Amino acid sequence: QVQVVESGGGVVQPGRSLRLSCAASGFRFSVYAMHWVRQAPGKGLEWVAVISNDGTNKYYADSVKGRFTISRDNSKNTVFLQMNSLRPEDTALYYCAKDSGAVAGTGWFDPWGQGTLVTVSS
Amino acid sequence: QSVLTQPPSVSGAPGQRVTISCTGSRSNMGAGFDVHWYQQLPGTPPKLLIYGNNNRPSGVPDRFSASKAATSASLAINGLQPDDEADYYCLSHDYSLSGGVFGTGTKVTVL
Repeated sequence: QVQVVESGGGVVQPGRSLRLSCAASGFRFSVYAMHWVRQAPGKGLEWVAVISNDGTNKYYADSVKGRFTISRDNSKNTVFLQMNSLRPEDTALYYCAKDSGAVAGTGWFDPWGQGTLVTVSS
Repeated sequence: QSVLTQPPSVSGAPGQRVTISCTGSRSNMGAGFDVHWYQQLPGTPPKLLIYGNNNRPSGVPDRFSASKAATSASLAINGLQPDDEADYYCLSHDYSLSGGVFGTGTKVTVL
């Protein structure tokens, strides 16, 4: 079935880096844009970043711009989120989600993974 | 950062109808971008409830319906059931971000 599975979360000190991965299966990965969305403990959903199907277009939320980088490997059906200069306010459950289209247009996000928890603390 | 505004909470007795509003701006819903709705049960990822303003994925009961007009949208739950207790979020696209924008979230409580 169509699914995405995140990994790579953990506890990291402020200022350090972490790389998240999202493995996709059950659909033609290279056809669809992919998103990262995060949810801080007890808070709402926050869109983080999107990458187009071929990796040429990438967009970021202002809160992570310049610190996070989204990328993908279509040969391995995987999307990544490289997170640098991490801050305590980046602590959240990070979800990967498939877009319904090829670029970040009017598409909806489905499915979502179970998420991977990132905790930034000294 | 753009955001879509929802009421923090709504409540209703079993069998009643509740509605959740989602208010945006000219850079997202007002620009003609679609609205999608998600249901999030405690400890689980968001589940797609409505896509493309008013379409239900297979398996979603027809008790759930939605509409969109200009810079606002709404989700209605008819015949409220205890299993409907959850957080609900709207989602649209924002051209100033070139990315997604979520609503602030609404907690539905079944009395």
